Amino acid sequence: EIVLTQSPGTLSLSPGERATLSCRASQSVSSNYLAWYQQKPGQAPRLLIYGASSRATGIPDRFSGSGSGTDFTLTISRLEPEDFAVFYCQQYGSSPGTFGQGTKVEIK
Amino acid sequence: QLQLQESGPGLVKPSETLSLTCTFSGASIGSNSYYWGWIRQPPGKGLEWIGSIYYTGSTYYNPSLKSRVTISADTSKNQFSLKLSSVTAADTAVYYCARPKSSWYGWFDPWGQGTLVTVSS
Repeated sequence: EIVLTQSPGTLSLSPGERATLSCRASQSVSSNYLAWYQQKPGQAPRLLIYGASSRATGIPDRFSGSGSGTDFTLTISRLEPEDFAVFYCQQYGSSPGTFGQGTKVEIK
Repeated sequence: QLQLQESGPGLVKPSETLSLTCTFSGASIGSNSYYWGWIRQPPGKGLEWIGSIYYTGSTYYNPSLKSRVTISADTSKNQFSLKLSSVTAADTAVYYCARPKSSWYGWFDPWGQGTLVTVSS
C-alpha cells in the first residue's frame, strides 16, 4: 500500500499568514488521485480538495492544492481564525486508499 | 442533501463483535450507483479506511482488517452496517461512515459525525 508522509507535523502561524503543507507518497499516486481534509477537534473531517487541485463545494478559494506524482501541497493563502485545525491528505489512486498522519496548523 | 449518522454501542468487551449502523437521508441505497464506507480514527491518531459496499452489495475491505470485517446493507431502511469481530483495545476509535466517491477507495464526502467505540472489559 502507498504510505503518505505529511510535513511538518505542526505549523505555528498567525492569522493572515500563508500556510504550506506537504504530503509525500512512497510511490507515484495514479492520476494524481489525492484529497485533502480539514478536521477540527470533536468534528469529522471535511473534504477540501480532491483530484490534487479541485476544490470541493463551498470551500473558499484561499485553499488550493497542487502537485503530482509523489509530491503534493496544500496552500492556505491567508489564514483565517477558523482555519486552524489538523489537515490530512489521502490517496485514492490505488487500493487500499490511505491517509497521511496529519499536519496540525496552530495559532502562533 | 446527503446526510449520514452512525449509531451503536459505545462500549464493547474484548473478543466480542463491534456492531455499528449508518443511517442516511437524501439518497437511496439501492440506486444512484453509490458506494458507502467506514473509516476509523483511534484517539489522537490518524484515519484508516475499513471497507466499503457498493449499491449492488459488493464489498471491499482493507486487507489489514479483512479477516474480521463484514459490511452489509439494508435496502429497505437506507442503512448500512459494520461488524468487526474479535475486538481488542487497539480497535478503540471513533468510527465514521461516509460516502466514497469515484470508487470504493475514493475520496470521502460527506461524513457522519462519528461515534466513539471503546473496547474494554
